[in-house]
Amino acid sequence: EDKVVQSPLSLVVHEGDTVTLNCSYEVTNFRSLLWYKQEKKAPTFLFMLTSSGIEKKSGRLSSILDKKELSSILNITATQTGDSAIYLCAVRNAGNMLTFGGGTRLMVKP
Amino acid sequence: SAVISQKPSRDICQRGTSLTIQCQVDSQVTMMFWYRQQPGQSLTLIATANQGSEATYESGFVIDKFPISRPNLTFSTLTVSNMSPEDSSIYLCSVESVSYEQYFGPGTRLTVT
Repeated sequence: EDKVVQSPLSLVVHEGDTVTLNCSYEVTNFRSLLWYKQEKKAPTFLFMLTSSGIEKKSGRLSSILDKKELSSILNITATQTGDSAIYLCAVRNAGNMLTFGGGTRLMVKP
Repeated sequence: SAVISQKPSRDICQRGTSLTIQCQVDSQVTMMFWYRQQPGQSLTLIATANQGSEATYESGFVIDKFPISRPNLTFSTLTVSNMSPEDSSIYLCSVESVSYEQYFGPGTRLTVT
Protein backbone atom coordinates (compact mmCIF):
# COMPACT_ATOMS: atom_id res chain seq x y z
CA GLU A 1 0.00 0.00 0.00
CA ASP A 2 1.35 3.41 -0.99
CA LYS A 3 2.11 5.74 1.89
CA VAL A 4 2.89 9.46 2.20
CA VAL A 5 3.99 11.14 5.42
CA GLN A 6 4.32 14.88 5.86
CA SER A 7 6.09 16.82 8.58
CA PRO A 8 5.67 18.87 10.57
CA LEU A 9 1.94 18.54 11.18
CA SER A 10 1.70 22.24 11.83
CA LEU A 11 3.95 25.24 11.85
CA VAL A 12 3.62 28.83 13.05
CA VAL A 13 6.03 31.45 11.71
CA HIS A 14 6.20 35.20 11.31
CA GLU A 15 6.10 37.13 8.09
CA GLY A 16 9.46 37.14 6.38
CA ASP A 17 10.55 33.79 7.76
CA THR A 18 11.61 30.91 5.51
CA VAL A 19 9.91 27.55 5.98
CA THR A 20 10.70 24.04 4.79
CA LEU A 21 7.97 21.42 4.59
CA ASN A 22 8.83 17.75 4.30
CA CYS A 23 7.24 14.85 2.48
CA SER A 24 8.42 11.24 2.50
CA TYR A 25 6.84 8.39 0.60
CA GLU A 26 6.70 4.69 -0.06
CA VAL A 27 5.10 3.90 -3.39
CA THR A 28 5.09 1.05 -5.83
CA ASN A 29 6.13 2.19 -9.31
CA PHE A 30 6.62 5.86 -8.51
CA ARG A 31 5.69 8.23 -11.31
CA SER A 32 5.52 11.71 -9.80
CA LEU A 33 5.14 13.77 -6.65
CA LEU A 34 2.75 16.70 -6.47
CA TRP A 35 2.43 19.61 -4.05
CA TYR A 36 -0.84 21.43 -3.41
CA LYS A 37 -1.96 24.42 -1.33
CA GLN A 38 -5.38 24.12 0.30
CA GLU A 39 -6.93 27.25 1.76
CA LYS A 40 -10.66 26.54 1.82
CA LYS A 41 -12.05 23.56 -0.05
CA ALA A 42 -10.14 22.94 -3.24
CA PRO A 43 -6.42 22.10 -3.34
CA THR A 44 -4.55 24.38 -5.71
CA PHE A 45 -1.81 22.76 -7.78
CA LEU A 46 1.70 24.05 -7.06
CA PHE A 47 4.30 21.68 -8.51
CA MET A 48 4.78 18.29 -10.04
CA LEU A 49 8.16 16.60 -9.72
CA THR A 50 9.30 13.58 -11.68
CA SER A 51 12.49 11.69 -12.31
CA SER A 52 13.20 14.05 -15.18
CA GLY A 53 12.24 17.19 -13.28
CA ILE A 54 13.46 17.01 -9.73
CA GLU A 55 13.54 20.71 -8.97
CA LYS A 56 10.85 23.32 -9.55
CA LYS A 57 10.63 27.00 -8.61
CA SER A 58 7.90 29.58 -8.83
CA GLY A 59 8.44 32.92 -7.17
CA ARG A 60 9.04 32.40 -3.46
CA LEU A 61 8.16 28.71 -3.63
CA SER A 62 10.53 25.95 -4.64
CA SER A 63 10.55 22.20 -4.36
CA ILE A 64 13.11 19.44 -4.70
CA LEU A 65 12.62 15.70 -5.15
CA ASP A 66 15.18 13.32 -3.68
CA LYS A 67 14.48 9.95 -5.30
CA LYS A 68 17.27 8.27 -3.38
CA GLU A 69 15.81 9.31 -0.02
CA LEU A 70 12.20 8.95 -1.26
CA SER A 71 11.36 12.43 -0.11
CA SER A 72 10.66 15.97 -1.19
CA ILE A 73 10.81 19.38 0.39
CA LEU A 74 8.78 22.51 -0.28
CA ASN A 75 10.50 25.76 0.58
CA ILE A 76 8.73 29.08 1.01
CA THR A 77 10.93 32.12 1.42
CA ALA A 78 9.91 35.56 2.75
CA THR A 79 6.60 34.15 3.95
CA GLN A 80 3.45 36.29 3.85
CA THR A 81 0.14 35.95 5.70
CA GLY A 82 -1.38 34.82 2.42
CA ASP A 83 0.81 31.72 2.54
CA SER A 84 -1.24 30.47 5.51
CA ALA A 85 -2.84 27.22 4.35
CA ILE A 86 -2.59 23.47 4.49
CA TYR A 87 0.11 22.16 2.16
CA LEU A 88 -0.53 18.71 0.75
CA CYS A 89 1.92 16.32 -0.82
CA ALA A 90 0.75 13.47 -3.04
CA VAL A 91 2.49 10.74 -5.00
CA ARG A 92 1.26 9.18 -8.20
CA ASN A 93 1.86 5.55 -9.04
CA ALA A 94 1.81 3.76 -12.36
CA GLY A 95 -1.95 3.24 -12.02
CA ASN A 96 -2.51 7.03 -12.06
CA MET A 97 -3.67 6.91 -8.48
CA LEU A 98 -2.72 9.76 -6.15
CA THR A 99 -2.02 9.00 -2.51
CA PHE A 100 -2.08 12.06 -0.28
CA GLY A 101 -0.20 12.80 2.89
CA GLY A 102 -1.89 14.23 5.95
CA GLY A 103 -0.78 17.76 5.15
CA THR A 104 1.17 20.47 6.98
CA ARG A 105 -0.86 23.34 8.40
CA LEU A 106 1.15 26.56 8.05
CA MET A 107 0.18 29.74 9.84
CA VAL A 108 2.07 32.93 9.06
CA LYS A 109 1.61 35.67 11.64
CA PRO A 110 2.00 39.36 10.78
CA SER B 1 -5.04 24.03 -16.79
CA ALA B 2 -8.69 23.02 -17.20
CA VAL B 3 -11.48 25.03 -15.60
CA ILE B 4 -13.55 22.77 -13.37
CA SER B 5 -16.90 23.60 -11.81
CA GLN B 6 -18.92 21.66 -9.27
CA LYS B 7 -22.53 21.93 -8.20
CA PRO B 8 -23.74 22.35 -5.54
CA SER B 9 -20.96 24.14 -3.68
CA ARG B 10 -22.53 23.12 -0.38
CA ASP B 11 -25.61 21.39 0.93
CA ILE B 12 -27.20 20.30 4.18
CA CYS B 13 -29.11 17.04 3.86
CA GLN B 14 -31.16 14.79 6.09
CA ARG B 15 -29.97 11.28 6.84
CA GLY B 16 -31.38 8.62 4.57
CA THR B 17 -31.59 10.91 1.54
CA SER B 18 -29.29 11.05 -1.50
CA LEU B 19 -27.38 13.91 -3.11
CA THR B 20 -25.96 14.07 -6.62
CA ILE B 21 -22.89 16.23 -7.19
CA GLN B 22 -22.04 17.41 -10.68
CA CYS B 23 -18.60 18.09 -12.10
CA GLN B 24 -18.15 19.97 -15.39
CA VAL B 25 -14.84 20.56 -17.18
CA ASP B 26 -14.30 23.12 -19.92
CA SER B 27 -12.29 20.73 -22.09
CA GLN B 28 -12.27 17.02 -22.85
CA VAL B 29 -10.25 15.00 -20.37
CA THR B 30 -9.59 11.29 -20.25
CA MET B 31 -9.10 10.88 -16.52
CA MET B 32 -11.60 12.16 -13.96
CA PHE B 33 -11.56 11.26 -10.29
CA TRP B 34 -13.73 11.71 -7.21
CA TYR B 35 -12.20 12.33 -3.79
CA ARG B 36 -13.53 12.73 -0.27
CA GLN B 37 -12.02 14.81 2.49
CA GLN B 38 -13.54 14.16 5.89
CA PRO B 39 -13.19 16.84 8.59
CA GLY B 40 -9.58 17.21 9.67
CA GLN B 41 -8.42 14.52 7.27
CA SER B 42 -6.52 14.43 4.02
CA LEU B 43 -7.97 13.50 0.64
CA THR B 44 -9.04 9.94 -0.11
CA LEU B 45 -9.73 8.69 -3.61
CA ILE B 46 -13.25 7.28 -3.98
CA ALA B 47 -13.14 6.20 -7.60
CA THR B 48 -11.96 6.86 -11.12
CA ALA B 49 -14.83 7.88 -13.39
CA ASN B 50 -14.46 6.06 -16.69
CA GLN B 51 -16.21 7.33 -19.79
CA GLY B 52 -18.49 4.72 -21.28
CA SER B 53 -17.94 2.11 -18.60
CA GLU B 54 -18.39 1.54 -14.90
CA ALA B 55 -16.29 3.54 -12.47
CA THR B 56 -13.29 1.93 -10.78
CA TYR B 57 -13.75 2.06 -7.01
CA GLU B 58 -11.03 2.09 -4.38
CA SER B 59 -11.02 -0.19 -1.39
CA GLY B 60 -13.73 0.77 1.07
CA PHE B 61 -16.02 2.40 -1.49
CA VAL B 62 -18.84 0.64 -3.34
CA ILE B 63 -21.05 1.47 -6.28
CA ASP B 64 -24.30 1.11 -4.32
CA LYS B 65 -23.23 3.85 -1.91
CA PHE B 66 -21.42 6.10 -4.40
CA PRO B 67 -22.83 5.59 -7.91
CA ILE B 68 -20.89 7.53 -10.53
CA SER B 69 -21.83 8.49 -14.06
CA ARG B 70 -19.52 9.68 -16.83
CA PRO B 71 -21.62 10.18 -19.94
CA ASN B 72 -18.92 12.10 -21.86
CA LEU B 73 -15.39 13.46 -21.59
CA THR B 74 -16.39 16.74 -19.90
CA PHE B 75 -18.95 15.74 -17.28
CA SER B 76 -19.38 13.39 -14.34
CA THR B 77 -21.70 12.97 -11.38
CA LEU B 78 -21.21 11.40 -7.97
CA THR B 79 -24.22 10.41 -5.89
CA VAL B 80 -23.94 9.94 -2.15
CA SER B 81 -26.75 7.51 -1.34
CA ASN B 82 -28.65 6.83 1.86
CA MET B 83 -26.61 9.41 3.69
CA SER B 84 -25.57 9.27 7.32
CA PRO B 85 -23.72 11.89 9.40
CA GLU B 86 -20.47 10.02 8.67
CA ASP B 87 -20.82 11.09 5.04
CA SER B 88 -20.34 14.73 6.03
CA SER B 89 -17.27 15.69 4.03
CA ILE B 90 -15.93 17.79 1.22
CA TYR B 91 -16.32 15.98 -2.08
CA LEU B 92 -13.93 16.95 -4.86
CA CYS B 93 -13.66 16.03 -8.48
CA SER B 94 -10.34 16.23 -10.23
CA VAL B 95 -9.00 15.84 -13.75
CA GLU B 96 -5.63 14.86 -15.09
CA SER B 97 -3.98 16.91 -17.77
CA VAL B 98 -2.07 15.46 -20.70
CA SER B 99 1.12 16.16 -18.76
CA TYR B 100 -0.24 14.15 -15.79
CA GLU B 101 -0.78 17.12 -13.50
CA GLN B 102 -3.99 16.73 -11.51
CA TYR B 103 -6.31 19.68 -10.91
CA PHE B 104 -9.23 19.91 -8.52
CA GLY B 105 -12.67 21.40 -8.74
CA PRO B 106 -13.90 23.86 -6.10
CA GLY B 107 -15.45 21.10 -4.00
CA THR B 108 -18.85 20.40 -2.48
CA ARG B 109 -19.21 20.71 1.28
CA LEU B 110 -21.84 18.22 2.46
CA THR B 111 -23.34 18.22 5.93
CA VAL B 112 -25.67 15.40 6.90
CA THR B 113 -27.95 15.95 9.87
